[in-house]
Amino acid sequence: DQQVKQNSPSLSVQEGRISILNCDYTNSMFDYFLWYKKYPAEGPTFLISISSIKDKNEDGRFTVFLNKSAKHLSLHIVPSQPGDSAVYFCAATRIGTYKYIFGTGTRLKVLA
Amino acid sequence: NAGVTQTPKFRVLKTGQSMTLLCAQDMNHEYMYWYRQDPGMGLRLIHYSVGEGTTAKGEVPDGYNVSRLKKQNFLLGLESAAPSQTSVYFCASSYPTNLPSPLHFGNGTRLTVT
Repeated sequence: DQQVKQNSPSLSVQEGRISILNCDYTNSMFDYFLWYKKYPAEGPTFLISISSIKDKNEDGRFTVFLNKSAKHLSLHIVPSQPGDSAVYFCAATRIGTYKYIFGTGTRLKVLA
Repeated sequence: NAGVTQTPKFRVLKTGQSMTLLCAQDMNHEYMYWYRQDPGMGLRLIHYSVGEGTTAKGEVPDGYNVSRLKKQNFLLGLESAAPSQTSVYFCASSYPTNLPSPLHFGNGTRLTVT
């Protein structure tokens, strides 16, 4: 039973345009969410996070939006750059449990 | 600063063989995790530890054992390897804060079981 889902396995975007990656979760107890980026042959690296008390968090070109009623979050990358080409994972946790549940990942390709 | 180091990087096992994957972190992190990554399945939590001497089961713990005898090390054992355990294994660590702190990952161990 996949508690965190990323329904788009892949996404292609032109350089300079916006990339939007989506993530859905089923467990209403999750109250903290994170996005990671992963290059081939490397471990995932942390990008940005959001607490359930917020609906938006921004860090440079990266913005995460949270819609709690829909159990949906999205990562916006503006403008997209070729170096952003990677696999992106969303993750969810309940504060105090120390368990992070990851989604299936979305492979982003930014075309020059 | 090495961060999280996993050994070995690659390994091929025959069905029924055993092996131990080692994870070491030099950041004095309290929490450590083992994940496996499979195509179409994302990262799935195998076991985790919230401190030296403690371990807990994750989403897919069957067929694996773990030990956290020292704070900086987290070992993942396969007692009798099966082809279904062919995967890329990632270790991660984090430190305790009021809000969940991001995981720091190693570069993975690619395991093939034939």
